[in-house]
Amino acid sequence: DAEITQSPRHKITETGRQVTLACHQTWNHNNMFWYRQDLGHGLRLIHYSYGVQDTNKGEVSDGYSVSRSNTEDLPLTLESAASSQTSVYFCASSERGLVLSSYNEQFFGPGTRLTVL
Amino acid sequence: ELKVEQNPLFLSMQEGKNYTIYCNYSTTSDRLYWYRQDPGKSLESLFVLLSNGAVKQEGRLMASLDTKARLSTLHITAAVHDLSATYFCAVDIGAGGTSYGKLTFGQGTILTVHP
Repeated sequence: DAEITQSPRHKITETGRQVTLACHQTWNHNNMFWYRQDLGHGLRLIHYSYGVQDTNKGEVSDGYSVSRSNTEDLPLTLESAASSQTSVYFCASSERGLVLSSYNEQFFGPGTRLTVL
Repeated sequence: ELKVEQNPLFLSMQEGKNYTIYCNYSTTSDRLYWYRQDPGKSLESLFVLLSNGAVKQEGRLMASLDTKARLSTLHITAAVHDLSATYFCAVDIGAGGTSYGKLTFGQGTILTVHP
């Protein structure tokens, strides 16, 4: 069965360290997204991609970067982790981009809980 | 900038009662999604609403979309404990047949159903 996985599921790091969170999907979806979830804010979009070599900034992109070298993976990198980046991170994917689509329903990974000390 | 607001943010219900969660959004859109999240878990898709007047029902939950009012509702009928979770609405900015595939989420409504 197609799925979307994230690793690690839990991570503790120190301020200033570089951290990379992995996201891998086997849906063969063009669109991939990274969100962070914090109490009271719902989910906020960090970065997203409509396909290989395409990346775009979301609402809260400062301090984060992504790259898309293949369809299946969109790793999220925290260049220099800060305590304000302690959060739960969700990766999601959906089928299509800037075209008419019946759905564009997003499917979510299990999440990564990141703690920055 | 699209803003999506849910209310209430916290909802404590008795089993057997009915209630409605509201989702208001600020920009024209005809695509709205409802998700459920259990504590410590990921988001699970509940409903996809793709046009004005769309209504979807699954068990004790019914969702509707009024694009003219920029409002979606999630109605809970005869609540049971298993419905306790956080419910999110999310809006796709696209309209008129075009979708950007990018969602803006509401803050979430934490629903607790008591015996």
